Amino acid sequence: NAGVTQTPKFRVLKTGQSMTLLCAQDMNHEYMYWYRQDPGMGLRLIHYSVGEGTTAKGEVPDGYNVSRLKKQNFLLGLESAAPSQTSVYFCASMSPGATEAFFGQGTRLTVV
Amino acid sequence: GEDVEQSLFLSVREGDSSVINCTYTDSSSTYLYWYKQEPGAGLQLLTYIFSNMDMKQDQRLTVLLNKKDKHLSLRIADTQTGDSAIYFCAVSGGRGSTLGRLYFGRGTQLTVWP
Repeated sequence: NAGVTQTPKFRVLKTGQSMTLLCAQDMNHEYMYWYRQDPGMGLRLIHYSVGEGTTAKGEVPDGYNVSRLKKQNFLLGLESAAPSQTSVYFCASMSPGATEAFFGQGTRLTVV
Repeated sequence: GEDVEQSLFLSVREGDSSVINCTYTDSSSTYLYWYKQEPGAGLQLLTYIFSNMDMKQDQRLTVLLNKKDKHLSLRIADTQTGDSAIYFCAVSGGRGSTLGRLYFGRGTQLTVWP
């Protein structure tokens, strides 16, 4: 019963480096989301997907790209990391019409 | 988009009741949630309420919804030191919003003193 799994859990990047965060869910959910959490702030939506092969921008999409090539995976990419992207990143998934979204444990990213 | 506001800090003595308040702006939000986050951990769904309900009770937790005032509260009875955490209010997007998207408040840091 894995639920939503995020990889990696921690990462330190240098400014300008690139990386990909992986979110995997085993619940056959259609909808998947990437949020970021900054100190003193609630979670803000970066990008989301309502099905395999589809992605859309959320509230704070700049500096990020996403892909949903397989239904169970939602990838978040940083092409050229900046210190402003230091944050905790949460992935979530849910079924259409469901009441509950399931969250991963988060990825703590530090950009120096 | 939706604005969700909650106070940032709350301190209570062990055994007392805690009340965390939240206000939101979109009256068409269908579901309203309370999440708990312990240090270094992910989000744990505590409870939620459907927008056509006034109250929901689940063991030590009571959720009150005043839809007219767009006010949501979470009461924790007999608060314990293990309840110390950040509590997030979240509401589902209303009409025209991103499917399944949640709008979060900034979180209330609850500190329980022994």
